[in-house]
Amino acid sequence: ETGVTQTPRHLVMGMTNKKSLKCEQHLGHNAMYWYKQSAKKPLELMFVYSLEERVENNSVPSRFSPECPNSSHLFLHLHTLQPEDSALYLCASSQTPGTGLWEQYFGPGTRLTVT
Amino acid sequence: GEDVEQSLFLSVREGDSSVINCTYTDSSSTYLYWYKQEPGAGLQLLTYIFSNMDMKQDQRLTVLLNKKDKHLSLRIADTQTGDSAIYFCAESKGGGADGLTFGKGTHLIIQP
Repeated sequence: ETGVTQTPRHLVMGMTNKKSLKCEQHLGHNAMYWYKQSAKKPLELMFVYSLEERVENNSVPSRFSPECPNSSHLFLHLHTLQPEDSALYLCASSQTPGTGLWEQYFGPGTRLTVT
Repeated sequence: GEDVEQSLFLSVREGDSSVINCTYTDSSSTYLYWYKQEPGAGLQLLTYIFSNMDMKQDQRLTVLLNKKDKHLSLRIADTQTGDSAIYFCAESKGGGADGLTFGKGTHLIIQP
């Protein structure tokens, strides 16, 4: 048990669908992240929320829309995705450090397949 | 080139030591990390090292850091079948909430 849960674990959706991924952390952290893990690329940081404010958006397409209603929950809303968006989407959380130690705890991921 | 580079595969015999290597480019990195990912699971933090340290040991794991060459290694002593996984090197660039930069991961394959 990592303390970070993600639902669903697997998702298959068509390109015209709208779906959402959910992440919940039970660790009392105040920063949360979405990463994309594709087969042939390094883990890509998509979004960072610190104290519920978005602080990072690495040029992610607008078809991905994050939402962080509180420090324990993070959503990734998906609409009109492309087949190349198929990947493992990982959520992580950490305590915003003052010392530069970004000890992130990861959830198990959602395996997304876009058909 | 990539910010963090690793070899994609490493094959070792059970009981031998495994050494996974990583190079990074950002000399301002304050912490460097090793994460482990088992099949179907998320990433698990194994260990980390602060940039002013040369070595850190934790049970079977030894991390060596050569800051001059920007080279990081993870040694796993007495490698077991349960060590079979993908190992990711990562760096934090310090400062604001910019998360971690990961390498592509090294697949550790254990031969019986």
